[in-house]
Amino acid sequence: GDSVTQMEGPVTLSEEAFLTINCTYTATGYPSLFWYVQYPGEGLQLLLKATKADDKGSNKGFEATYRKETTSFHLEKGSVQVSDSAVYFCALSVRGSNTGKLIFGQGTTLQVKP
Amino acid sequence: EAQVTQNPRYLITVTGKKLTVTCSQNMNHEYMSWYRQDPGLGLRQIYYSMNVEVTDKGDVPEGYKVSRKEKRNFPLILESPSPNQTSLYFCASSLSRDYEQYFGPGTRLTVT
Repeated sequence: GDSVTQMEGPVTLSEEAFLTINCTYTATGYPSLFWYVQYPGEGLQLLLKATKADDKGSNKGFEATYRKETTSFHLEKGSVQVSDSAVYFCALSVRGSNTGKLIFGQGTTLQVKP
Repeated sequence: EAQVTQNPRYLITVTGKKLTVTCSQNMNHEYMSWYRQDPGLGLRQIYYSMNVEVTDKGDVPEGYKVSRKEKRNFPLILESPSPNQTSLYFCASSLSRDYEQYFGPGTRLTVT
């Protein structure tokens, strides 16, 4: 079945460090890929998306490239801030699926220390 | 402001007492969905709706009901809540099923 695997956390970084959160997927169809972020006590916010191979999604300094050959969608940011501390979820949806559901990874907690 | 709203945000109730969690979106989205988030299990889809009067079960529908009488609203109904329904619930909407989904702020439900 379709699934998403994320690197386990927590990930602890110092401010201005480089961030990578790994995400790989398995999909029977042709997926769209997403990163969502959940700040403490809040809902999930769409961070970025990519809908086809080699697309790069970007937002707020975060980037992720849809790599079909490696079935990956790793999240990166060049210089993290304390305010980036949150839980990050990689997710996919398979176009044309009956349910339209998002399939999520387990989430990766990021802690950024000043 | 484009948003998905849920009410209540927090709810503590007792076993068997019927409750409804409301969800409303102001983006004229056709597709709406409910998820629950549990530690170690991640987010799982409960029910979804492709459009008004069109609803169907997701992965974990037992113990829940939904309705979609208007495009903007998609309430989640627990007819007889049980402790295993203690969870964090999210409503989401999108233009249609193949588009990105926008989430509400969540409802934390505790059933004692």
